[in-house]
Amino acid sequence: SQQGEEDPQALSIQEGENATMNCSYKTSINNLQWYRQNSGRGLVHLILIRSNEREKHSGRLRVTLDTSKKSSSLLITASRAADTASYFCATRSAGGTSYGKLTFGQGTILTVHP
Amino acid sequence: EPEVTQTPSHQVTQMGQEVILRCVPISNHLYFYWYRQILGQKVEFLVSFYNNEISEKSEIFDDQFSVERPDGSNFTLKIRSTKLEDSAMYFCASRSIRLLDGNSGNTIYFGEGSWLTVV
Repeated sequence: SQQGEEDPQALSIQEGENATMNCSYKTSINNLQWYRQNSGRGLVHLILIRSNEREKHSGRLRVTLDTSKKSSSLLITASRAADTASYFCATRSAGGTSYGKLTFGQGTILTVHP
Repeated sequence: EPEVTQTPSHQVTQMGQEVILRCVPISNHLYFYWYRQILGQKVEFLVSFYNNEISEKSEIFDDQFSVERPDGSNFTLKIRSTKLEDSAMYFCASRSIRLLDGNSGNTIYFGEGSWLTVV
């Protein structure tokens, strides 16, 4: 199944603008996590939202979760050139035997121009 | 902040050779994982490890792959006889089960990855 599909695939904005990335998934989830990856580097955890939560904030990040639509969005406000990276959503399926396995989407490549 | 560390950062190996990728998970974590990312593709789950045994594995994780926790700190991924299609970035990750605050028991922390190129 295509769990965790992000859109857009690529997003190009100017510094100071807001960036919104969306993620859709197909199965019931325990939680959804967003990660950032700079080119060729590791995955940096940004924020986790549980299935019983609707919105979370962390600094300039705002994540929403709509379990009825099986979708999430990541908003980065007042973007900076340093926010340029790929952003992935990853879902942990509901149910007792997943041991925390995450299913990743294809990612959104964000480019912030100075 | 504690982090997952991986070695080597890059490795080039000949097809058919054995490769061992090493990871030091965060010290109080109890779940360990390997993921891989083929260039330009999604990050894919390979295997999870808990209580000194594999708890779950994907169909990618065939008999060529094995994991081991040889001591109290290291977690290794061995590829017995590498193929060209094994070329990828391999990520180690770990998770605590202690819900000390917020989501600390749910968050999975990843290392910087090991680039493996099979030629």
